[in-house]
Amino acid sequence: KAGVTQTPRYLIKTRGQQVTLSCSPISGHRSVSWYQQTPGQGLQFLFEYFSETQRNKGNFPGRFSGRQFSNSRSEMNVSTLELGDSALYLCASSQTGGVGNNEQFFGPGTRLTVL
Amino acid sequence: AQSVTQLGSHVSVSEGALVLLRCNYSSSVPPYLFWYVQYPNQGLQLLLKYTTGATLVKGINGFEAEFKKSETSFHLTKPSAHMSDAAEYFCAVTLSGSARQLTFGSGTQLTVLP
Repeated sequence: KAGVTQTPRYLIKTRGQQVTLSCSPISGHRSVSWYQQTPGQGLQFLFEYFSETQRNKGNFPGRFSGRQFSNSRSEMNVSTLELGDSALYLCASSQTGGVGNNEQFFGPGTRLTVL
Repeated sequence: AQSVTQLGSHVSVSEGALVLLRCNYSSSVPPYLFWYVQYPNQGLQLLLKYTTGATLVKGINGFEAEFKKSETSFHLTKPSAHMSDAAEYFCAVTLSGSARQLTFGSGTQLTVLP
């Protein structure tokens, strides 16, 4: 079974631009979560989607948004990029989303650099 | 709210030596606790988790961790380090089986010296 895939793996943008990252979960998984990883703030939860609905959201500004499609694939969008948005963005999928009872499988991440 | 503290951002051990990575948590209810490993340019891989039941949890690659409620700790150990164990390790916590997110510690970079 294929793992979680994220595209692109690397991305360079300039301040003020917007960016869209994509995540394809493991087949059969309906929950997709996004995390931001930076050296200063560590791993922080962005949001979680299940059956095309956002069920949980972390403490990030409205510039960060996401969506999930009927095939469970998910995208996250960051508008008006800032230098501080440079990070590794990790996607994780699980069967139903309850992280205590269901293992989250992480993708390799998308490395975003904002210049 | 829950939180996790990992003591020591960098730990170095010699190959064959004991690995001990420290994790303390703060939680208002009995927590679910996890250890993840991250190799360079890769995502996170689950090593082990504690939910309920036996407090000594065995994971992959010879790692284990013990949940100690009285010490609010969940330290990760491995009796004998291998070069391939060099990576970054994250402790994480959540409050229930149905919780939707993990709260991570700041990570510990493990270096294994030959």
